[in-house]
Amino acid sequence: AAGVIQSPRHLIKEKRETATLKCYPIPRHDTVYWYQQGPGQDPQFLISFYEKMQSDKGSIPDRFSAQQFSDYHSELNMSSLELGDSALYFCASSLRDRGIRRAFFGQGTRLTVV
Amino acid sequence: KQEVTQIPAALSVPEGENLVLNCSFTDSAIYNLQWFRQDPGKGLTSLLLIQSSQREQTSGRLNASLDKSSGRSTLYIAASQPGDSATYLCAVREQGETSGSRLTFGEGTQLTVNP
Repeated sequence: AAGVIQSPRHLIKEKRETATLKCYPIPRHDTVYWYQQGPGQDPQFLISFYEKMQSDKGSIPDRFSAQQFSDYHSELNMSSLELGDSALYFCASSLRDRGIRRAFFGQGTRLTVV
Repeated sequence: KQEVTQIPAALSVPEGENLVLNCSFTDSAIYNLQWFRQDPGKGLTSLLLIQSSQREQTSGRLNASLDKSSGRSTLYIAASQPGDSATYLCAVREQGETSGSRLTFGEGTQLTVNP
């Protein structure tokens, strides 16, 4: 079965550079979420999109932006990168199926800022 | 603001033991609760999902229970195996889910099952 695809899997950037992370949700899923997981921490919600419209916003820095495109893939754009942005970034998608909404996560993109 | 706590933070058991992982949440107005497994540096694998109207869910050697009124969930793992070694995270989805409400995660329990 198709899963959530994230690219790239690993990314190394220097401080003050820009990074773009991509997420391809499971086909027909109507919601995409982005989470950030720092070393030894639990995933923190950044932002979500429902049917291509931003639906919820968490602790996402102003330096970050995200959007969902007409083909439902989503991109997380991160500018003026800081060392503290080094983390595992997860994308998840979900669909309400028979009254149940379950989140499926991608494998994550590991971003290292040097 | 919803807060999710998991106890213990780490657990080490010999192979074959039955064990219980605990999760508590501060706001009982949840839509559902999901238990995930995470291997080091890897993604999150969904194990069990319990809707707010349910009391428990079972999958193989795993059983998850939910007591929404007291804000608690437990994940029971029977006959543990070394392959069960991972971090287990619980996450709650708040009500009002139709517009894609967020999951709030606990900090996880790091489980080690020794051969």
